[in-house]
Amino acid sequence: GEDVEQSLFLSVREGDSSVINCTYTDSSSTYLYWYKQEPGAGLQLLTYIFSNMDMKQDQRLTVLLNKKDKHLSLRIADTQTGDSAIYFCAETPGNTGKLIFGQGTTLQVKP
Amino acid sequence: DVKVTQSSRYLVKRTGEKVFLECVQDMDHENMFWYRQDPGLGLRLIYFSYDVKMKEKGDIPEGYSVSREKKERFSLILESASTNQTSMYLCASSQVITEAFFGQGTRLTVV
Repeated sequence: GEDVEQSLFLSVREGDSSVINCTYTDSSSTYLYWYKQEPGAGLQLLTYIFSNMDMKQDQRLTVLLNKKDKHLSLRIADTQTGDSAIYFCAETPGNTGKLIFGQGTTLQVKP
Repeated sequence: DVKVTQSSRYLVKRTGEKVFLECVQDMDHENMFWYRQDPGLGLRLIYFSYDVKMKEKGDIPEGYSVSREKKERFSLILESASTNQTSMYLCASSQVITEAFFGQGTRLTVV
């Protein structure tokens, strides 16, 4: 079946690194995604990784993909208070275009 | 600037009412989605449409129906609203497996 799991909450201090983890069950997705939701807003695509890659870096963001363990992580370097948000991982099982999300991880950044 | 527009930000309806949530996108996307977002449960897919007049059930379709008569518009219908349908409803659109764009959400309260 299609299932995406995340821990619900992460708290870090400003300037530290944050690591948000996600596990998924369907291995057929061509892309895996990280979306960010700021308070009172809809979701926005933060970054994504192609399924044949192990790592993708984009400025302060690093995505790691372990296909064997079906584990995806998002690392945010030098976390800022503006990074406080809910982060969702997502996949498209069977590449049908259907987009399945995890529960979302609330990132709290303390000054 | 790409846009997904949901007709209302806030709605209050009575139990048993028929409720229509409207979503319009201006990007000529094939795929459109309706999700509901509840704390601790993340985004759960209600219905998904991959073409005009085509629809597919998501994880929680019970109590809901959808309509897609034109490519740009995807409507979610609550046939007889109940209090357990009080939630945040998010609409999204995408091309096949690329970035999904979200509306701002409709917070529906059923009393």
